[in-house]
Amino acid sequence: NAGVTQTPKFQVLKTGQSMTLQCAQDMNHEYMSWYRQDPGMGLRLIHYSVGAGITDQGEVPNGYNVSRSTTEDFPLRLLSAAPSQTSVYFCASRITGFGNTIYFGEGSWLTVV
Amino acid sequence: DAKTTQPPSMDCAEGRAANLPCNHSTISGNEYVYWYRQIHSQGPQYIIHGLKNNETNEMASLIITEDRKSSTLILPHATLRDTAVYYCIVSPGGFKTIFGAGTRLFVKA
Repeated sequence: NAGVTQTPKFQVLKTGQSMTLQCAQDMNHEYMSWYRQDPGMGLRLIHYSVGAGITDQGEVPNGYNVSRSTTEDFPLRLLSAAPSQTSVYFCASRITGFGNTIYFGEGSWLTVV
Repeated sequence: DAKTTQPPSMDCAEGRAANLPCNHSTISGNEYVYWYRQIHSQGPQYIIHGLKNNETNEMASLIITEDRKSSTLILPHATLRDTAVYYCIVSPGGFKTIFGAGTRLFVKA
């Protein structure tokens, strides 16, 4: 059971480039989300999805796009990378409903130069 | 989701109990209290959760006050490997799960 898998683990981008961070889960979880974590800070919610075809914004959505075409996958797209987007990105998933825990991926380290 | 307040940092001696407090005065009736921890820059790890009764598992105990406005995570015998950031989250199992800054626990030899 792989859980939540993120790729790539490390990436360096130039300002203005675009890229997609991939996230896949094999637990048939309806709910998936993306967080970013800047050095020394807590996690901030970027976007989330409650099921295929349904996405919504979190705390810091600007500069990021998401889509959810399948239950398993929830990619995060950076349209035009900026140095302020240098961060560690975590994907998470869980079953919807009360009392269910969140499972996190191992993180994707992104540096924008 | 209800907001939580945690101290920014705490120290604990190795082998002693670590008691991490969390205030969640605006918690509503269907919201659970969850605790996660993050070691270095790894993905956060689930520790424990509860609704109104105290809970215990192999990692920790969770004590929730009767009015549910605060809780305490107890690591009964802290080790150096428990040094981490601990997040207290209040959520109904809702969709916008917001993490605060957490408490940075330093376990010292």
